[in-house]
Amino acid sequence: GQQVMQIPQYQHVQEGEDFTTYCNSSTTLSNIQWYKQRPGGHPVFLIQLVKSGEVKKQKRLTFQFGEAKKNSSLHITATQTTDVGTYFCAGPGGATNKLIFGTGTLLAVQP
Amino acid sequence: EAQVTQNPRYLITVTGKKLTVTCSQNMNHEYMSWYRQDPGLGLRQIYYSMNVEVTDKGDVPEGYKVSRKEKRNFPLILESPSPNQTSLYFCASSLRQGAVNTQYFGPGTRLTVL
Repeated sequence: GQQVMQIPQYQHVQEGEDFTTYCNSSTTLSNIQWYKQRPGGHPVFLIQLVKSGEVKKQKRLTFQFGEAKKNSSLHITATQTTDVGTYFCAGPGGATNKLIFGTGTLLAVQP
Repeated sequence: EAQVTQNPRYLITVTGKKLTVTCSQNMNHEYMSWYRQDPGLGLRQIYYSMNVEVTDKGDVPEGYKVSRKEKRNFPLILESPSPNQTSLYFCASSLRQGAVNTQYFGPGTRLTVL
């Protein structure tokens, strides 16, 4: 079945360093969503990308959707302690109405 | 306030004792779903519902049941819970039919089955 993998599974950075997480789907996605889950919290929607090659920015966060619409990335510039949490990508499950989440990347930021 | 609510937030139970986790949303959303979250496995969809009386299996439906008698409510039923269903459960809803819209998540229910 369709799989959505994320790497790395875990990353520990010093505050001020950059961070990137990568999302790879086994199938082409019509769109991709990104969510953030703070420790002890629930996933919160960040953004949705629809077009091939699309790049969107939210302050220090930059999201990209690959040309082939099978991969995506989230880059955080100059991390802050408030960026701590798990970042998930998610995409539609092919012809069904399922939503397939990636395995997530846990970001730890040391002050 | 627009929200998704779940109850209970924490539950410890024993193998075989039927339980229901309730989920309710006040945003008039059509699409609702249940996920379980386990370390290293991310969020896996259990069941989803496109609208009232329309439900379908997600990726890990075994051992679970759902119903959608009203638009706002989507309870998750474990008829005979087993220890491998110990997990963190999230209910979510989105505006339209289909999975392509923003998912709003409830606060989660941490279930332990002994």
